[in-house]
Amino acid sequence: EAGVAQSPRYKIIEKRQSVAFWCNPISGHATLYWYQQILGQGPKLLIQFQNNGVVDDSQLPKDRFSAERLKGVDSTLKIQPAKLEDSAVYLCASSLVAKGYNEQFFGPGTRLTVL
Amino acid sequence: GDSVTQMEGPVTLSEEAFLTINCTYTATGYPSLFWYVQYPGEGLQLLLKATKADDKGSNKGFEATYRKETTSFHLEKGSVQVSDSAVYFCALRATNDYKLSFGAGTTVTVRA
Repeated sequence: EAGVAQSPRYKIIEKRQSVAFWCNPISGHATLYWYQQILGQGPKLLIQFQNNGVVDDSQLPKDRFSAERLKGVDSTLKIQPAKLEDSAVYLCASSLVAKGYNEQFFGPGTRLTVL
Repeated sequence: GDSVTQMEGPVTLSEEAFLTINCTYTATGYPSLFWYVQYPGEGLQLLLKATKADDKGSNKGFEATYRKETTSFHLEKGSVQVSDSAVYFCALRATNDYKLSFGAGTTVTVRA
């Protein structure tokens, strides 16, 4: 079974530029999560989708971050414009459903460096 | 709010040594507790879990027991191998919730 795919694996941009990350979850997984992992910290949930609807985006900085999940499969996370403090690894995860115990499977992440 | 505190690293051990990584949590009710592992260049993987007090999770020689009285979920392995070198994250999911709250992670390096 293929795992969660993410691209690109690495991205270096200058502050105020825009960047987008892509995630392809495990086939059949209805729930998709984006996490931000700053160096030295644990992952922090940014947004959760159930199919193509947003369940929780309370920790997403909406003035600069946006995410979508068209057709309930792939998802993109965008930052516009980027700030230095956005340097982090962005992790995508998916699970079968949100409620109860359903293991979240993580992708390898995209490491973003903002100069 | 819910939070997890885990032992700071990095931790460096020799092969066959005993490993303990401490994890304590703050949460209301009865959260589920997890240990995730991140090998170099790979994504987070679930290592083990426990969903109620006194449960013991185990996998790949690692064990952790859910201790409600001490709000702890310490990870242990009796004899580590070089292949256990990774970053280990303790996490919790609150009752009736889906979100995972992670600790800061502990980097473990095992030398041959």
